[in-house]
Amino acid sequence: EVQLVESGGGLVKPGGSLRLSCAASGFTFSTYAMSWVRQAPGEGLEWVSGITNSGGYRYYADSVKGRFTISTDNSKSTLYLQMNSLRAEDTAIYYCAKGNGDFGATAFDYWGQGTLVTVSS
Amino acid sequence: DIQMTQSPSTLSASVGDRVTITCRASQSISSWLAWYQQRPGKAPKLLIDKASSLESGVPSRFSGSGSGTEFTLTISSLQPDDFATYYCQQYNSYWTFGQGTKVEIK
Repeated sequence: EVQLVESGGGLVKPGGSLRLSCAASGFTFSTYAMSWVRQAPGEGLEWVSGITNSGGYRYYADSVKGRFTISTDNSKSTLYLQMNSLRAEDTAIYYCAKGNGDFGATAFDYWGQGTLVTVSS
Repeated sequence: DIQMTQSPSTLSASVGDRVTITCRASQSISSWLAWYQQRPGKAPKLLIDKASSLESGVPSRFSGSGSGTEFTLTISSLQPDDFATYYCQQYNSYWTFGQGTKVEIK
C-alpha cells in the first residue's frame, strides 16, 4: 500500500525557515517523480515544486522560486522541501504528491494527508 | 504559463442528477489533463488521467472527455459521496490547477 506521510509543519515568523519532509513507502521511491502542492485556507490547489525520479531536474512555481528548495534522499525514500524567507502568503496545508511516471508529464496518483504551515508574527 | 479555467465555480444538484464540469486551458495541452476530487478536510484524489482514463477503483459514473483546450468531467448519476470539490489540472507544461468546482446539495 502506497503511503506518504508529511511532517515538519508549524508556526513560523515572517522571514523564517522551515523544512518539510515526506516519508514514502509501498513503492519504489527512486522510480517516480514527486511534487509538493499547497492549499491556503479556504482556497484551491497550487502546485509548488516538483523533482524528477533521478533528482536531476527540479521545478518551482514562480511564487516560491529562489526561496524554496526541493530534494530527495532515495536511501530514506524521503522528499524534502526547504522553505526560506517565509511570507504570510505561504500559509497553507502542504501536500506531498507522487507522480504516476518518472519525469515531466505526470498526474499525481497518491497524496499525503498534508502538513500545515502558518507564517505569522 | 498555462492558465486553467473551470466552470461553474459552484454547482447545486440533487442525487441522481447528471452533472458536467468544464475546464478550459489557455493553450493546447493535448490530453495532458487530470481530474481530482477533494472532500472537506481530505487530500485530493485522482479520478481521471490523460483526459479520459478512469483510475482503478473509481466508479464508472465518472467520465472525462476533451483534448486541446476544452475538457469536461461528467458524473452520470450523482451519488451522496460525490458532493465535493473537483479540480482539473494540466501537466503538459509544469502543473497548473483550475480554481475548483464545488458540487453542493440542492
